[in-house]
Amino acid sequence: NAGVMQNPRHLVRRRGQEARLRCSPMKGHSHVYWYRQLPEEGLKFMVYLQKENIIDESGMPKERFSAEFPKEGPSILRIQQVVRGDSAAYFCASSSRTHPTGTRNEQFFGPGTRLTVL
Amino acid sequence: RKEVEQDPGPFNVPEGATVAFNCTYSNSASQSFFWYRQDCRKEPKLLMSVYSSGNEDGRFTAQLNRASQYISLLIRDSKLSDSATYLCVVNMGSGTSYGKLTFGQGTILTVHP
Repeated sequence: NAGVMQNPRHLVRRRGQEARLRCSPMKGHSHVYWYRQLPEEGLKFMVYLQKENIIDESGMPKERFSAEFPKEGPSILRIQQVVRGDSAAYFCASSSRTHPTGTRNEQFFGPGTRLTVL
Repeated sequence: RKEVEQDPGPFNVPEGATVAFNCTYSNSASQSFFWYRQDCRKEPKLLMSVYSSGNEDGRFTAQLNRASQYISLLIRDSKLSDSATYLCVVNMGSGTSYGKLTFGQGTILTVHP
């Protein structure tokens, strides 16, 4: 499967626990984006990363949320001390390039991780 | 005003019908535009990019009017399998924020026999 991979597909956590969501981009893609979709709402941008760098985290909540994309391995979205309001679908997307010149930055999405906080 | 605004529908049409969706965006400096579709509880899938001159892919035609900040999607000869939520998506960023896509709320389409 050469598509964007995410795991786990479903994650259940109790309030106060930590959630770790993983994303492996499509082969050949070095740009990763995380989006969140709350129940009955549209997708909202959270963070954009390249290998070892956070490029834009303007959509990330200031506390409890962090993201990384190490040199080796998948991108990780980490949510500490989860609360019920964190229950949502978290989608990862990847693209091959992002510079405005000569590319439309088409992003391809993984199947998502559905986080439920009890 | 929402950054990307769509008529949420729902649109209920018979097979074979032609249906059009509209979308407006707030940032005149937006650089690229897309239509995605999302099936219930699944990931968004890229349907087509939208080019300034308009473009067509089979039964789907997309148009962009930069002066009016308006995007449209036309679906001809609707199939049952076209039933989904259609998302208008805009890349409004520049520089480091170029990676950020802004999504509309989506327009729900149901095609019935």
